[in-house]
Amino acid sequence: NAGVTQTPKFRILKIGQSMTLQCTQDMNHNYMYWYRQDPGMGLKLIYYSVGAGITDKGEVPNGYNVSRSTTEDFPLRLELAAPSQTSVYFCASSYSGTGGQGEQYFGPGTRLTVT
Amino acid sequence: QKEVEQNSGPLSVPEGAIASLNCTYSDRGSQSFFWYRQYSGKSPELIMSIYSNGDKEDGRFTAQLNKASQYVSLLIRDSQPSDSATYLCAVNAAGGSYIPTFGRGTSLIVHP
Repeated sequence: NAGVTQTPKFRILKIGQSMTLQCTQDMNHNYMYWYRQDPGMGLKLIYYSVGAGITDKGEVPNGYNVSRSTTEDFPLRLELAAPSQTSVYFCASSYSGTGGQGEQYFGPGTRLTVT
Repeated sequence: QKEVEQNSGPLSVPEGAIASLNCTYSDRGSQSFFWYRQYSGKSPELIMSIYSNGDKEDGRFTAQLNKASQYVSLLIRDSQPSDSATYLCAVNAAGGSYIPTFGRGTSLIVHP
């Protein structure tokens, strides 16, 4: 049981480039989330999904896009990277239903630098 | 705007002491509350969840919830240097939401 996995671990992008951050979970969780964390700050929600085919914006969605075609995968797309997107990105998942109140399980993170 | 407030610290305690971490929240209808531990350079890890007023104990950790006063706290007994980390408080929105708001975290330093 690998939990939540993310790739890549590190990435350097040039301004204007695009990339996709991958996230996969093997716990059959219905909820998945993308956060960014800037130094000394808390977690800011970018997008979330309540199940396959359903996504919604969080607090800071501008400059990002997501899709959720399967329960397991929740990729985050960055279009036209900007220096303001330099951050650490965490993917998380949780289960809502009997026995689950939304406790989140996090992936190891992707450290992204845009120069 | 839902808010979750934590003192950023650092909170410095000697080894063996009780560390007390506090969190206040603005959404009066919130029902689910969580504490996560985050070591430097690592991802957050769930350590406690609490849903009812009162205390919940798990080993050296005790979570306390007071919905009337809108605060939740985490006590760490017999603090160890390995407890040195940032502790994040998270509060789910009211109405059965599973979308949390995180506080900025409190940095805890346990010195030998």
